[in-house]
Amino acid sequence: DAKTTQPPSMDCAEGRAANLPCNHSTISGNEYVYWYRQIHSQGPQYIIHGLKNNETNEMASLIITEDRKSSTLILPHATLRDTAVYYCIVRLTGAGSYQLTFGKGTKLSVIP
Amino acid sequence: GAVVSQHPSRVICKSGTSVKIECRSLDFQATTMFWYRQFPKQSLMLMATSNEGSKATYEQGVEKDKFLINHASLTLSTLTVTSAHPEDSSFYICSARDSIRLRGNTEAFFGQGTRLTVV
Repeated sequence: DAKTTQPPSMDCAEGRAANLPCNHSTISGNEYVYWYRQIHSQGPQYIIHGLKNNETNEMASLIITEDRKSSTLILPHATLRDTAVYYCIVRLTGAGSYQLTFGKGTKLSVIP
Repeated sequence: GAVVSQHPSRVICKSGTSVKIECRSLDFQATTMFWYRQFPKQSLMLMATSNEGSKATYEQGVEKDKFLINHASLTLSTLTVTSAHPEDSSFYICSARDSIRLRGNTEAFFGQGTRLTVV
């Protein structure tokens, strides 16, 4: 699986949009970008994933650049409960490629 | 979303004893489950891949005789930490994928984790 690079930490004011970047310059054509987050002392929670097109769900939006070498997770209106470590993971598709390799992620602190 | 339940959420055991952690997929079938370990201030590290009805696949450096994995049904995998030592104290997390939807790109669902403290 391709490696990802994320800033170690970010702050965001409550109510503002949180934009979390991720570089995955070695991503290949059949690799998806997944985002998970981990709130302190809990298991990771799935947020969103995408291949080429931008994606949006009830939690967040995922913007993937045209060359697919980087992406941005957007939490449109951050709340204190969004304080967590956010992991950007690139994963192969197809049989036998179900495991996720976690990097160090970005620790997002939402400030009142 | 799908639910993965892990039990217990917290356990303290004496050095030399064994501890069993259960991971259940509550509303879907999971042919494959994964076990991770997370030390303080570190990321999740994959320990092993648990396959229903067959032997687990362990990552390099993980002792299969110490971390026994059993995946006897499509909804249950167990991890037993045998002869636990203080250095085994960690946060253990399981995850599962929906077997029925495996052909698509589905997300993995995680349990809430088990905090093991060996004293």
